[in-house]
Amino acid sequence: DAGVIQSPRHEVTEMGQEVTLRCKPISGHNSLFWYRQTMMRGLELLIYFNNNVPIDDSGMPEDRFSAKMPNASFSTLKIQPSEPRDSAVYFCASSSRWGGSYNEQFFGPGTRLTVL
Amino acid sequence: GEDVEQSLFLSVREGDSSVINCTYTDSSSTYLYWYKQEPGAGLQLLTYIFSNMDMKQDQRLTVLLNKKDKHLSLRIADTQTGDSAIYFCAEGGYQKVTFGTGTKLQVIP
Repeated sequence: DAGVIQSPRHEVTEMGQEVTLRCKPISGHNSLFWYRQTMMRGLELLIYFNNNVPIDDSGMPEDRFSAKMPNASFSTLKIQPSEPRDSAVYFCASSSRWGGSYNEQFFGPGTRLTVL
Repeated sequence: GEDVEQSLFLSVREGDSSVINCTYTDSSSTYLYWYKQEPGAGLQLLTYIFSNMDMKQDQRLTVLLNKKDKHLSLRIADTQTGDSAIYFCAEGGYQKVTFGTGTKLQVIP
């Protein structure tokens, strides 16, 4: 398996532009997580899905952030409009264990977002 | 609420043992985890321990859990330069996991 795939790996954009980050989870995994990593705040959970349904989006910082999972093999995280403080590395992770066992999450390589 | 705290930085000499410490607040956590993040990569599960255990050993890694004090530690024996990375402590149940701030381990040759 190729692992969790994220695209793009790097994104540089200007303030006010729309940014869309993409994630393909590992085939067969039924849980998907979006995280943001910064030096100041560490690793923050933004939102997670189980069987394509959003379970908890309390970590989404503002209404400018939205996430979708239209099917089991694809998810997007959108920022509109983007701001310089959104600059961070965004990780997608997937997991096949939901209930009854430990929760190993498999992380993608991340998307490094820079908003100028 | 859930909160996981770690020291930010640890420096050790190659061949010595490293001990990374973590405290957590959620006493209902079922599992405690250690993840490793190498430069430019995502996190990778290193090991985990069930909350009713107090120790787990896996080759060079030893995890100690003090549930009373909500303290978790990771000991790496014979630390190598390839162990240089950021180590994240995490706690959780069967759904989401809460990660600590990460401890950057620097191994000096």
